[in-house]
Amino acid sequence: ETGVTQTPRHLVMGMTNKKSLKCEQHLGHNAMYWYKQSAKKPLELMFVYNFKEQTENNSVPSRFSPECPNSSHLFLHLHTLQPEDSALYLCASSQDTREKLFFGSGTQLSVL
Amino acid sequence: GQQLNQSPQSMFIQEGEDVSMNCTSSSIFNTWLWYKQEPGEGPVLLIALYKAGELTSNGRLTAQFGITRKDSFLNISASIPSDVGIYFCAGQLQGGSEKLVFGKGMKLTVNP
Repeated sequence: ETGVTQTPRHLVMGMTNKKSLKCEQHLGHNAMYWYKQSAKKPLELMFVYNFKEQTENNSVPSRFSPECPNSSHLFLHLHTLQPEDSALYLCASSQDTREKLFFGSGTQLSVL
Repeated sequence: GQQLNQSPQSMFIQEGEDVSMNCTSSSIFNTWLWYKQEPGEGPVLLIALYKAGELTSNGRLTAQFGITRKDSFLNISASIPSDVGIYFCAGQLQGGSEKLVFGKGMKLTVNP
């Protein structure tokens, strides 16, 4: 238990579906992140939020829409995804953007 | 862009053997982190290194921050079956953006 909880753990969706991934951290951290993990590739940073403000969007397509209502919660809204978006989506948090990351267990996403 | 070269990419060892892996870069890092990821889970932080030359142990794990600040290694002594997983290095660049750069990971298999 790392203190970062992600739901759902697994998600299968069609290309026309709309779904959301949820992340909650119980560590009192101020920064939260979305990463994409695909086979045989390094972890890809998608978004960074610091004190609820988005500080980085790593050229992510608009079909991925993040939302950070407060420092403890982070969402990733998904809409009209492509099969190549199938991957493990990891949420992480840190005390601030210079500190080590604590990861959730991830959501394994399959887009059909 | 900045990349971490992590080697080897995979290892198959017998229980009880020692394991060594490293990460190198042409860039200078302020922080080195080592993570382990088990199947179906997110990466878990093993060791964090903050100073050049720093040698830190965590049980059977030992990691060092290279003197040149461009590399780090992780050793696992007397491996056991539960050591299986993917080991990632991550570094925070000197003078660069605050985001972490990740290696591609090293998949470890331990045969009982």
